[in-house]
Amino acid sequence: DTAVSQTPKYLVTQMGNDKSIKCEQNLGHDTMYWYKQDSKKFLKIMFSYNNKELIINETVPNRFSPKSPDKAHLNLHINSLELGDSAVYFCASSNAPGAEAFFGQGTRLTVV
Amino acid sequence: GENVEQHPSTLSVQEGDSAVIKCTYSDSASNYFPWYKQELGKGPQLIIDIRSNVGEKKDQRIAVTLNKTAKHFSLHITETQPEDSAVYFCAATVTGNQFYFGTGTSLTVIP
Repeated sequence: DTAVSQTPKYLVTQMGNDKSIKCEQNLGHDTMYWYKQDSKKFLKIMFSYNNKELIINETVPNRFSPKSPDKAHLNLHINSLELGDSAVYFCASSNAPGAEAFFGQGTRLTVV
Repeated sequence: GENVEQHPSTLSVQEGDSAVIKCTYSDSASNYFPWYKQELGKGPQLIIDIRSNVGEKKDQRIAVTLNKTAKHFSLHITETQPEDSAVYFCAATVTGNQFYFGTGTSLTVIP
């Protein structure tokens, strides 16, 4: 069983579109994250939720909106996609903020 | 917030040689230092970590050292193998807070 799964794995879309990436973890963790990895491999945290509450919201355009319907899910919705949004987006979870994080396989988003 | 610097950005070694990756951090309150390995097409995975009350930790061919005074920590891989080729990330955090990742080191082990 995949511990942290995200869908889709690849996403190609045109500028201006709205898209969502889904993430689910079956580890029973309380904390979930979204990271963005750019072409230089930099891993930058975007959001963190603990027990469905937003605890970290880094400087991210408000076109990005996370939603956590329950502790096992953290979805990422992106409005009005721009070329600069192209990157690999990773979902992760841990049993507490700052504890060992388990990452999903990533979603490669390409905006054309 | 914390600032983590990582060097080198790329590293090539011959199979069987050792590899060393170094990181420095800025926040003296940081007390947890994990290392993650990211293989091609996959998400990062924890390989070893160290807490501030320990100076060194070893797990088979990998070891991590921590110098709290100088605020730097290092990953050592001995007897490197081709499957060690990956991107390695260091991170620093205060327990209960978010990770701050380094900029990554792309390690290539040449057979």
